[in-house]
Amino acid sequence: QVQLVESGGGVVQPGGSLRLSCAASGFTFSTCGMHWVRQAPGKGLEWVTFIRHDGSDKYYVDSVTGRFTISRDNSKNTLYLQMNTMRAEDSAVYYCVTEKVTMGDHWGQGTLVTVSS
Amino acid sequence: QSVVTQPPSASGTPGQRVTISCSGSRSNIGSDPVSWYQQLPGKAPKLLIYSNNQRPSGVPDRFSGSKSGTAASLAISGLQSEDEADYYCAVWGGILTGWVFGGGTKLTVL
Repeated sequence: QVQLVESGGGVVQPGGSLRLSCAASGFTFSTCGMHWVRQAPGKGLEWVTFIRHDGSDKYYVDSVTGRFTISRDNSKNTLYLQMNTMRAEDSAVYYCVTEKVTMGDHWGQGTLVTVSS
Repeated sequence: QSVVTQPPSASGTPGQRVTISCSGSRSNIGSDPVSWYQQLPGKAPKLLIYSNNQRPSGVPDRFSGSKSGTAASLAISGLQSEDEADYYCAVWGGILTGWVFGGGTKLTVL
């Protein structure tokens, strides 16, 4: 079955960087678009970014454009999110999410990111 | 504040039918299909409905979706205690906006 395992979360200071990874298994990763979706503590869901199956297109929510970069390595079945110049408002659980039929076919368990001094 | 609006809360008694609305605009719901997600307490979200009214395999037929114009709705019939969760709608808002989630509706089973 589909498995998405996020890692790389933790505590980072404002202005710092963090790289999240998502190890995918149980499906053909190289044919699937992928998203990152985040959820601040006690808040709703917020879409962050999307990458096409072959990496040819990438889209970002305005608040992270220029600071975050999504990428993927289809040979390793792994999705990444490089987060730079981080702010307190980036604190959230970050979910790795598939798109085969629609955004959110499958979700990982999430990894918690806290931006705090 | 999201450009796609949901009521913050809804409630019903076991066996009842409840509906949750999702209101948008011509540039999002009026142009693209809506998906719905269920988030049980402490868990990751799960896809309930896609393409306005399609259920993924494994989702009970008690859950149904519909869309008309710039509004969509999720209906849950035969309400059960395990349906108590947060429900989110989402829609593609175009390449400049990306995907947009509604603010979420907390469903309480009384």
